[in-house]
Amino acid sequence: DAKTTQPTSMDCAEGRAANLPCNHSTISGNEYVYWYRQIHSQGPQYIIHGLKNNETNEMASLIITEDRKSSTLILPHATLRDTAVYYCIVRPRTASKLTFGTGTRLQVTL
Amino acid sequence: DSGVTQTPKHLITATGQRVTLRCSPRSGDLSVYWYQQSLDQGLQFLIQYYNGEERAKGNILERFSAQQFPDLHSELNLSSLELGDSALYFCASSVGLAGGPSDNEQFFGPGTRLTVL
Repeated sequence: DAKTTQPTSMDCAEGRAANLPCNHSTISGNEYVYWYRQIHSQGPQYIIHGLKNNETNEMASLIITEDRKSSTLILPHATLRDTAVYYCIVRPRTASKLTFGTGTRLQVTL
Repeated sequence: DSGVTQTPKHLITATGQRVTLRCSPRSGDLSVYWYQQSLDQGLQFLIQYYNGEERAKGNILERFSAQQFPDLHSELNLSSLELGDSALYFCASSVGLAGGPSDNEQFFGPGTRLTVL
């Protein structure tokens, strides 16, 4: 599976957009980019995924660069409840498992 | 609430013992996954079942085993427990298999916290 690199931690003011970057320079054509988050010690929560087009849902937007070597998860209006560890995962289309890295710890502050 | 349930929430036991963790997937989901989260190893995939059959294996120790029953619930059995097995164990479920037409987004349960003393 392609390796991902994320910053260890980030801060964001409540109400502002949180932009979480992820590098996946070795991604191959059949691999999806997934984002999950884990609030405290709860079970990870699915956020969004994409292959090559930008995606948006009720939680977030995912921007994937044209060469697919990096992506950015955007939380448009961060709230305190968005404080969590965010995991960027590259998953082959034919694989089931999710390979979690160390993620980015996002702290949303007042 | 993801719709995935796990019991028990907490389990405290001694080294050398055997425990069983239980997972009920979301209604309609055929795939069940088990993950282990420890402080030093992070979140690691253990094993996946689809409609009763084992489909993928990860870093699962030989002392650990799992199965998925006809009603689709799954159990993870951990035996000859060691201190290092203390961790959070998560179950996740999805509708189908990777690569299939179904949505393969995985929904995680709240986890079982295992403490081995």
